[in-house]
Amino acid sequence: NAGVTQTPKFRVLKTGQSMTLLCAQDMNHEYMYWYRQDPGMGLRLIHYSVGEGTTAKGEVPDGYNVSRLKKQNFLLGLESAAPSQTSVYFCASSYSIDRGLRNTEAFFGQGTRLTVV
Amino acid sequence: AQSVTQLGSHVSVSEGALVLLRCNYSSSVPPYLFWYVQYPNQGLQLLLKYTTGATLVKGINGFEAEFKKSETSFHLTKPSAHMSDAAEYFCAVSEGQGGKLIFGQGTELSVKP
Repeated sequence: NAGVTQTPKFRVLKTGQSMTLLCAQDMNHEYMYWYRQDPGMGLRLIHYSVGEGTTAKGEVPDGYNVSRLKKQNFLLGLESAAPSQTSVYFCASSYSIDRGLRNTEAFFGQGTRLTVV
Repeated sequence: AQSVTQLGSHVSVSEGALVLLRCNYSSSVPPYLFWYVQYPNQGLQLLLKYTTGATLVKGINGFEAEFKKSETSFHLTKPSAHMSDAAEYFCAVSEGQGGKLIFGQGTELSVKP
């Protein structure tokens, strides 16, 4: 059982370049999230999805786009990378309808360390 | 809107001493509350959670937390710290079943020999 898998694990971008981070989960979870982690600021929610084909903005959505075309995948895109987007990005998933209240916890991937120069 | 405040960005204890990490939340509906731990260069893993029922929740590695509605708190404790407990700890809240997770700023725990 792989859980939540993020690709890639590391990336260096030049300012203005674009890239897509891929998140895949195999737990049949309804909800998926993208967070960024910066020193002293905890995890801040970028975008999230409550089901296939739906997305919503989180706390810090500017400069990012997302798509959830398949239930198991959640993509995070940076159209024109900026140094302020240097961060560690975490994907998470939670909530299986068929398991109800017992499965409300979020499961996290190992993170993607992105540096924009 | 939901929010989480963790008091103290850094906490240092001696090995064998009590660990107390503070978390206060704000939520307009009955919350679900979580504590996660992050070891260096790793993702987050769940320590414990409160959804409904018993307000004292026991988790992995000897940690426990108590949900106090009147104080809007969910503090994390461990009676005796171990060197392996050194990590960053995050408190999080979601509004009910399936709600999005909002995290606190994190508390880095150091354990001195």
